[in-house]
Amino acid sequence: GENVEQHPSTLSVQEGDSAVIKCTYSDSASNYFPWYKQELGKRPQLIIDIRSNVGEKKDQRIAVTLNKTAKHFSLHITETQPEDSAVYFCAASTTDSWGKFQFGAGTQVVVTP
Amino acid sequence: SAVISQKPSRDICQRGTSLTIQCQVDSQVTMMFWYRQQPGQSLTLIATANQGSEATYESGFVIDKFPISRPNLTFSTLTVSNMSPEDSSIYLCSVALAGEQFFGPGTRLTVL
Repeated sequence: GENVEQHPSTLSVQEGDSAVIKCTYSDSASNYFPWYKQELGKRPQLIIDIRSNVGEKKDQRIAVTLNKTAKHFSLHITETQPEDSAVYFCAASTTDSWGKFQFGAGTQVVVTP
Repeated sequence: SAVISQKPSRDICQRGTSLTIQCQVDSQVTMMFWYRQQPGQSLTLIATANQGSEATYESGFVIDKFPISRPNLTFSTLTVSNMSPEDSSIYLCSVALAGEQFFGPGTRLTVL
């Protein structure tokens, strides 16, 4: 089955700096890679996703890159703000198994003013 | 988007008892998913619930421990049976709609 590894487990950044979280996956059949943000005590919320036919996707301060050959994908947050502090999860799935996500272990991001 | 509600939002239970968690969605969806999030951990898929058929369980989860019902396209229940402290977790239901996955608010279960 699919195995997703996520690094780092914690990330502390100064406000205004960039944050990068990296994930690797094992199943070459995986073709959908979402990123979720989970604030303390709240449900995970989708912040960006990427499909295997695209190498990069950007939404304002957030971008995701995908390298299918190397089986890794990354989340980039630029100009970080205190409200970016949360746990971020990457996940992998196939469109044939929509909704059956294998999640990474999560990254606790702390943005200090 | 999908609006998902869960009941109860939290509960404290004694070991050996069972708790049924309800999940209601405001749209008709083919598949509903139940995830578990243990304290400080990631999300793990328990099972997929399709309307009109038996739920499909992931490795490490069995029907006797986590029976699931899916009586219609907007509702599902997950029962945590014969609970032990190791079952203390947040249980979340999830649905896929219009190419996006939505999560319910979760049920925080504490087993004493």
